[in-house]
Amino acid sequence: DVKVTQSSRYLVKRTGEKVFLECVQDMDHENMFWYRQDPGLGLRLIYFSYDVKMKEKGDIPEGYSVSREKKERFSLILESASTNQTSMYLCASKRDYEQYFGPGTRLTVT
Amino acid sequence: AQSVTQLDSQVPVFEEAPVELRCNYSSSVSVYLFWYVQYPNQGLQLLLKYLSGSTLVKSINGFEAEFNKSQTSFHLRKPSVHISDTAEYFCAVSPLAGGYNKLIFGAGTRLAVHP
Repeated sequence: DVKVTQSSRYLVKRTGEKVFLECVQDMDHENMFWYRQDPGLGLRLIYFSYDVKMKEKGDIPEGYSVSREKKERFSLILESASTNQTSMYLCASKRDYEQYFGPGTRLTVT
Repeated sequence: AQSVTQLDSQVPVFEEAPVELRCNYSSSVSVYLFWYVQYPNQGLQLLLKYLSGSTLVKSINGFEAEFNKSQTSFHLRKPSVHISDTAEYFCAVSPLAGGYNKLIFGAGTRLAVHP
């Protein structure tokens, strides 16, 4: 079975902090994605990566950056967290046409 | 550009009743279509997908969806729901052109099955 893990299920950070969200997949997938999920808005794509050190902006990249130094790991970085970044963050990796999701990290910025 | 509209944000239903969750999409190119399910406190799981061929696709737990190209719809149905079907359901499309098979999601429909 494909497994996508995320480093934390719940995270509380203060405004202005630098925040790292980690995602690891164990199936050697080339494509990985970061989404945020908000009630009434569904999932919105923040960034995706199609290979090591390769990345593309999604629909809402402002305030975020990403890092992919190894194929299995894709990190989302909030350079200076703000309260409007309080959300559920979901990571996914892709094989063929199917995306496999991690359990999510619920981030609260106070 | 693509967009996905899920016409109901919440659908309450009694156990063993039929249910339909509606999904319409807009796209200038051909798309693949998906339904994902999110159980409480979990990530999303693929429920079913339409890539090509028969327009009626089925899941292993009794859900089915029909791709209607003329109406640009991909409604999800189940003839008899269980309590365990309580979850949020997301319709998504992926354009055939444009690379990387990005998914565009609808806002989600929360299905609540009552005893």
